[in-house]
Amino acid sequence: QKEVEQDPGPLSVPEGAIVSLNCTYSNSAFQYFMWYRQYSRKGPELLMYTYSSGNKEDGRFTAQVDKSSKYISLFIRDSQPSDSATYLCAKGASQGAQKLVFGQGTRLTINP
Amino acid sequence: NAGVTQTPKFRVLKTGQSMTLLCAQDMNHEYMYWYRQDPGMGLRLIHYSVGEGTTAKGEVPDGYNVSRLKKQNFLLGLESAAPSQTSVYFCASSYPAGGYGYTFGSGTRLTVV
Repeated sequence: QKEVEQDPGPLSVPEGAIVSLNCTYSNSAFQYFMWYRQYSRKGPELLMYTYSSGNKEDGRFTAQVDKSSKYISLFIRDSQPSDSATYLCAKGASQGAQKLVFGQGTRLTINP
Repeated sequence: NAGVTQTPKFRVLKTGQSMTLLCAQDMNHEYMYWYRQDPGMGLRLIHYSVGEGTTAKGEVPDGYNVSRLKKQNFLLGLESAAPSQTSVYFCASSYPAGGYGYTFGSGTRLTVV
């Protein structure tokens, strides 16, 4: 079992819809969580960072962490075609070297 | 623009050939990482470095070597390429006070035939 599990999709929704992307994790150590966005043939870029249970908002994006169920989510409101990308969840895997373990990534398409 | 630069962007190798991938960052980051990305497998850590002159193994280090002779550069070497090493390779960097937020390069697409 992978330490971070993510449904690879693909996920296709109409423009303006609310998108929900989800991951589960198994190791409770180093509970730092990130969402990265990766456009086609580009490197991932950091989208959201959180380490506490609950919600963190940044514009149209909300990251949610439920440590009791080991579940993390990313919500995208008023989705736009420019949000079409692969979204990667990640979790801290060490302290000193700040290593990360990534989910498989979910490929998202927003249809105009 | 400041960031992480990877060279080359594309490469085709024959089985058994060797090559070196170069990663350079101009943000004065202490930590650097090499990941490979394969369909259905996500990003997997190959090797990493916490400072100039240091390297350590990640999740999938076999068949690769690395060196960090200068703080800004992190080299990934393939001594004898195998088809299983066909992948997209990403370099990333971060700094201790920056949490786990990585800056990634744009990747190197490697095909071994």
